[in-house]
Amino acid sequence: QQQVKQSPQSLIVQKGGISIINCAYENTAFDYFPWYQQFPGKGPALLIAIRPDVSEKKEGRFTISFNKSAKQFSLHIMDSQPGDSATYFCAALPYGGATNKLIFGTGTLLAVQP
Amino acid sequence: DAGVIQSPRHEVTEMGQEVTLRCKPISGHDYLFWYRQTMMRGLELLIYFNNNVPIDDSGMPEDRFSAKMPNASFSTLKIQPSEPRDSAVYFCASSRIGSNQPQHFGDGTRLSIL
Repeated sequence: QQQVKQSPQSLIVQKGGISIINCAYENTAFDYFPWYQQFPGKGPALLIAIRPDVSEKKEGRFTISFNKSAKQFSLHIMDSQPGDSATYFCAALPYGGATNKLIFGTGTLLAVQP
Repeated sequence: DAGVIQSPRHEVTEMGQEVTLRCKPISGHDYLFWYRQTMMRGLELLIYFNNNVPIDDSGMPEDRFSAKMPNASFSTLKIQPSEPRDSAVYFCASSRIGSNQPQHFGDGTRLSIL
């Protein structure tokens, strides 16, 4: 069964620090890796995404790093702010699928302390 | 543009009652997904539709759960009879076809079965 393993389960970071969330997958047949951000009482929303032909993608303070050989990808939040406090999910889309069926990680609850 | 709309936002009912959750996807989206979120199991895909046709219902936990999509603008998830272990937040999401198309989530229905 295809799986995406996410760590840590929870994370506390001081304001201005770097938040790092890691994910690993067990199947090579994924070709799209999005990250979703979820605030309390809201549904997850797409934050940033990467394809495996790129090793890094940056959007503002958010960066995805992708290591294809290690089957790992991570989210880095630079200069973390209290407003970044949320649950973050990594996900992976099976390669060549005609569907948009994502495999989600278990989520990381991030708390950024002021 | 209006996002994915779910109703009700909160539902509290007694064990054994029928529960119906509703979803209006974003207009023009081809896929509709139903998810369940709990602390213990994270975000689980229950079923998804492509052009109103159910494609994969392998995530539906039991025969007590059923989902329909009678037209492109409406879907329901029904639980009959409901049980306390069904208590969770249920999300509906929709997306366009294409591997890099994000899933847009509604704000969920928080279901409590007493």
